[in-house]
Amino acid sequence: GESVGLHLPTLSVQEGDNSIINCAYSNSASDYFIWYKQESGKGPQFIIDIRSNMDKRQGQRVTVLLNKTVKHLSLQIAATQPGDSAVYFCADGRDQGAQKLVFGQGTRLTINP
Amino acid sequence: NAGVTQTPKFQVLKTGQSMTLQCAQDMNHEYMSWYRQDPGMGLRLIHYSVGAGITDQGEVPNGYNVSRSTTEDFPLRLLSAAPSQTSVYFCASSYLFGTDNEKLFFGSGTQLSVL
Repeated sequence: GESVGLHLPTLSVQEGDNSIINCAYSNSASDYFIWYKQESGKGPQFIIDIRSNMDKRQGQRVTVLLNKTVKHLSLQIAATQPGDSAVYFCADGRDQGAQKLVFGQGTRLTINP
Repeated sequence: NAGVTQTPKFQVLKTGQSMTLQCAQDMNHEYMSWYRQDPGMGLRLIHYSVGAGITDQGEVPNGYNVSRSTTEDFPLRLLSAAPSQTSVYFCASSYLFGTDNEKLFFGSGTQLSVL
C-alpha cells in the first residue's frame, strides 16, 4: 500500500557536522512534500517544503532534495547545533482532490557535543 | 496572535465516557485537521475540514466525530472512549492547497489516557 517511510529511526551526529535525514514515498502522484521538526512535548513545527516541479530547495541551514525517479526525499541540516535535536518527520501532501498530509514515522536526531 | 490553541492539555477518561477536545485558530485558515500520534509512529489523520460546514474523514476516523460551525473552531468528539484511543492528539490549520502558503500550523497537543 501507499506509505511514507524513513530509512533510519535514529541518527546521531557530532555538533557542527552536517546531518542528512532520508525519506521514501510510494505514491508517484504525490506533488507536495514537507519536513517537520518535533521537540519533546511540543507540536510539530514546519521546517521546509518542496513541490514536485522542483528538485532542491534551500532554507536557513536546511536543504530539501527531491528525487522523483526513485521517490526519495532528504533533509540536510548544515552545521548541526544542540537545538536541532528532535524528531524529524517528512509528510506527503497528496493531491487527490483532498488536502491531506500523510506523515512518516519520524527520525530522532541526536546531537553529540 | 495565539496560533492554534488546544484544550485541555491532559485528560484521563474511563472506558465508555465521551468528551470533546477543543481547537481554535486565529489565523483565518480555511483548512483544519485533527491528527493522533502514538508512540513510535507518525501522525495519523483523523478528520479534516476545508471550511465552515464541510468535514471529511481521514485515515482513522472511527470513534471520532467533528463539526465545523465557524472558521475558527474545530472540536473533536470522542463518542465512547476506548483504551485504543489513548494517544496524543494534535490539531492543525493552514490555508488551502494551491495558495502557495499551505504549511500546517500545529497546536501543542492534548495527551489523552483512556483507562
